[in-house]
Amino acid sequence: SQKIEQNSEALNIQEGKTATLTCNYTNYSPAYLQWYRQDPGRGPVFLLLIRENEKEKRKERLKVTFDTTLKQSLFHITASQPADSATYLCALRGTGRRALTFGSGTRLQVQP
Amino acid sequence: EAGVTQFPSHSVIEKGQTVTLRCDPISGHDNLYWYRRVMGKEIKFLLHFVKESKQDESGMPNNRFLAERTGGTYSTLKVQPAELEDSGVYFCASSQEKTSGRGEQYFGPGTRLTVT
Repeated sequence: SQKIEQNSEALNIQEGKTATLTCNYTNYSPAYLQWYRQDPGRGPVFLLLIRENEKEKRKERLKVTFDTTLKQSLFHITASQPADSATYLCALRGTGRRALTFGSGTRLQVQP
Repeated sequence: EAGVTQFPSHSVIEKGQTVTLRCDPISGHDNLYWYRRVMGKEIKFLLHFVKESKQDESGMPNNRFLAERTGGTYSTLKVQPAELEDSGVYFCASSQEKTSGRGEQYFGPGTRLTVT
């Protein structure tokens, strides 16, 4: 069955450092891979999308890489700030379907 | 522009009762999705509407769940009768891929359902 794995342990880093979150998947050939941010008591908020034929995408302090051979995406936040503290969700979408399959998320805590 | 709204924010009902959740998508968004997160698990897809038509119902757990989107605007999700395992947070999302083509979905704040 399809499986998406994100590090369930919280990631604690110091302000100003780069946070790197990992998303691995199996038994899936996604057309798109998306990253969302979720704060407590709120719904997920879209951050970045990367297509299967793209290797890297950037947006301001955010960078996503996508390796379809390794079946892995890395999500980087550079110059991290305490306001970046949240849970980050990886979501996959297949060809022909619009439903998203989510990972369980990784909680990021940026210490001032 | 108003975001996706959901009502109620929290519902507590007894096993066997009926609950109806409502979602108002972003105006003009043809695509509407329902997802839910049960305790300790990841967010899971339930179904997808395109306007008033059900495009994908593959995630609906059983026939106790009924989703409607009359007129292609707001949507309701009814659970009847509710069971303990239905407890969780129900999210609604919408998207308009005609304009963006990128597939990002805009989520509401969720309805927390507690079945006792």
